[in-house]
Amino acid sequence: AQSVTQPDIHITVSEGASLELRCNYSYGATPYLFWYVQSPGQGLQLLLKYFSGDTLVQGIKGFEAEFKRSQSSFNLRKPSVHWSDAAEYFCAVGTYSGGGADGLTFGKGTHLIIQP
Amino acid sequence: KAGVTQTPRYLIKTRGQQVTLSCSPISGHRSVSWYQQTPGQGLQFLFEYFSETQRNKGNFPGRFSGRQFSNSRSEMNVSTLELGDSALYLCASSLEARGGPNEQFFGPGTRLTVL
Repeated sequence: AQSVTQPDIHITVSEGASLELRCNYSYGATPYLFWYVQSPGQGLQLLLKYFSGDTLVQGIKGFEAEFKRSQSSFNLRKPSVHWSDAAEYFCAVGTYSGGGADGLTFGKGTHLIIQP
Repeated sequence: KAGVTQTPRYLIKTRGQQVTLSCSPISGHRSVSWYQQTPGQGLQFLFEYFSETQRNKGNFPGRFSGRQFSNSRSEMNVSTLELGDSALYLCASSLEARGGPNEQFFGPGTRLTVL
């Protein structure tokens, strides 16, 4: 079975500073990887996804992530954070068995705090 | 296109009651998945429906059930509610194009409180 680990429960970053959120996954085959963001009381918004191809993927709101198969990682980055980026970030792995998409397996999330 | 909609947004029930939550997917999306989000367990997959059939199921007791209608709208039902069922229930839809995975688009969720 697949699993996702987000080692950092909380991260505090100053506004304008760079950001990297870590994600490690465990899955025996090629994973399909996602980053979602959740603001308080809201649903999940997809930031970016990796299915195949270029290992550096660009997403919305200036986010990017790099898939590193050798490290089983899919870390999320942003060069300069804004106060509006404060939220909960979830990394997820999906599988596809040919009979359809299986349910996403999520990490526990990283709570991002932005300092003025 | 309108996003995924879920009704109601908030619900308060008492132990032993049952509840039905509704989800309308994005137009044209045929796959609907349900997730439970709690502070302790995080986000957990409940089940997925495609063409009115449950195709995948997570590790939840039989009190949790669902169905999908011909217009792809979906409902989930929880019977004999327990305090631990208090959670945010999220619905997600995907296009389900053949031959590969698809991203899931989430609704705002239904906040269920069991007293």
